[in-house]
Amino acid sequence: QKEVEQDPGPLSVPEGAIVSLNCTYSNSAFQYFMWYRQYSRKGPELLMYTYSSGNKEDGRFTAQVDKSSKYISLFIRDSQPSDSATYLCAMRPSGSARQLTFGSGTQLTVLP
Amino acid sequence: DADVTQTPRNRITKTGKRIMLECSQTKGHDRMYWYRQDPGLGLRLIYYSFDVKDINKGEISDGYSVSRQAQAKFSLSLESAIPNQTALYFCATSRPGQGAGELFFGEGSRLTVL
Repeated sequence: QKEVEQDPGPLSVPEGAIVSLNCTYSNSAFQYFMWYRQYSRKGPELLMYTYSSGNKEDGRFTAQVDKSSKYISLFIRDSQPSDSATYLCAMRPSGSARQLTFGSGTQLTVLP
Repeated sequence: DADVTQTPRNRITKTGKRIMLECSQTKGHDRMYWYRQDPGLGLRLIYYSFDVKDINKGEISDGYSVSRQAQAKFSLSLESAIPNQTALYFCATSRPGQGAGELFFGEGSRLTVL
């Protein structure tokens, strides 16, 4: 069983929809939770990160972490065609030397 | 210009050939990484280096080697390429103490081994 599970999709939604992307994990030591966005033929780039539990909002994006359920989510409000990309969750324990474990990514298409 | 540059961007080679993928960065970061990305498997860490004299194996280092020639340069070698090493390879950098340890990725090197 993988440490981080992510539904690969593909997920297709109409423009303006609310999108929910999710990951589950098994390692209770994970403390940093990140979402990377990867456009086609590009490298991933950090979208948001959260430390420990709780919510974090940045414009149309909201990241949620529920450590009791080992479940993290990324919500995209008022989705735009420019949000079409693969979204990867990633997480790691505390300690600057600890490495990230990535989910497999969810491919999202927002239709105009 | 990109902060993290990978060469070549695309390479097709044959089984048994030696291949080197190169990465250079202008971000001034000490830490550099090599990942491979496969459909359905996400990003997996091959090797990482925290400074010029430090090299560490990642999750899937078998069949690969690396060289950290300078703070800004980190190369990945496949001594004898095999078809299951066909993948998209990414170099990344980070700086300790910066936020959550954000990784900055290059644009990738697509390798096909026939």
